[in-house]
Amino acid sequence: QVTLRESGPALVKPTQTLTLTCTFSGFSLSTSGMCVSWIRQPPGKALEWLARIDWDDDKYYSTSLKTRLTISKDTSKNQVVLTMTNMDPVDTATYYCARTRVVEGGFDYWGQGTLVTVSS
Amino acid sequence: EIVMTQSPATLSVSPGERATLSCRASQSVSSNLAWYQQKPGQAPRLLIYGASTRATGIPARFSGSGSGTEFTLTISSLQSEDFAVYYCQQYNNWPPSYTFGQGTKLEIK
Repeated sequence: QVTLRESGPALVKPTQTLTLTCTFSGFSLSTSGMCVSWIRQPPGKALEWLARIDWDDDKYYSTSLKTRLTISKDTSKNQVVLTMTNMDPVDTATYYCARTRVVEGGFDYWGQGTLVTVSS
Repeated sequence: EIVMTQSPATLSVSPGERATLSCRASQSVSSNLAWYQQKPGQAPRLLIYGASTRATGIPARFSGSGSGTEFTLTISSLQSEDFAVYYCQQYNNWPPSYTFGQGTKLEIK
């Protein structure tokens, strides 16, 4: 049974750095073709892909946010970490982690999401 | 960046009727297209990938079609649990990137 769960602060101040952790079970991120992405959704708005990390530690980022994002993994802990620097109120959103497999392309399992509010 | 445009923004359909949702890509994405269903307060749920392959556990009333720049999600006979927001999403194989449409809200008529 595949599960993912996001954790991190619910509130951050402008200019601070956000660190989110995705803890997953039911699959291994060392299995060929396995990937985990971060996706966010501002309240009432559409989904936006942020970053992806692959089984072989390759990393990919949204072009528009690339300079602010870092994604990493700890395979032994079954965790993926996303950091986003210089947070702004427009970054207020629900942040999801989701699994994808290279052969399929869609995000087949999602965490429940964590709402992050950026406010002073 | 590939832009995904969904239409209509809102679709009103009666239970038991057919719903047809459209998604257009600003350039060809081949068959690298997925559809998701999202209900309030929940994470999206994968319905279709590869433009036409149903994900595990998805009922047969959901079907996807299209390739290149024009795609369609059809729900053949709407059930009460199908009223939700639907998103299309393209995935570019190299370099990997993903963009979502702005969503279509399927509401009860």
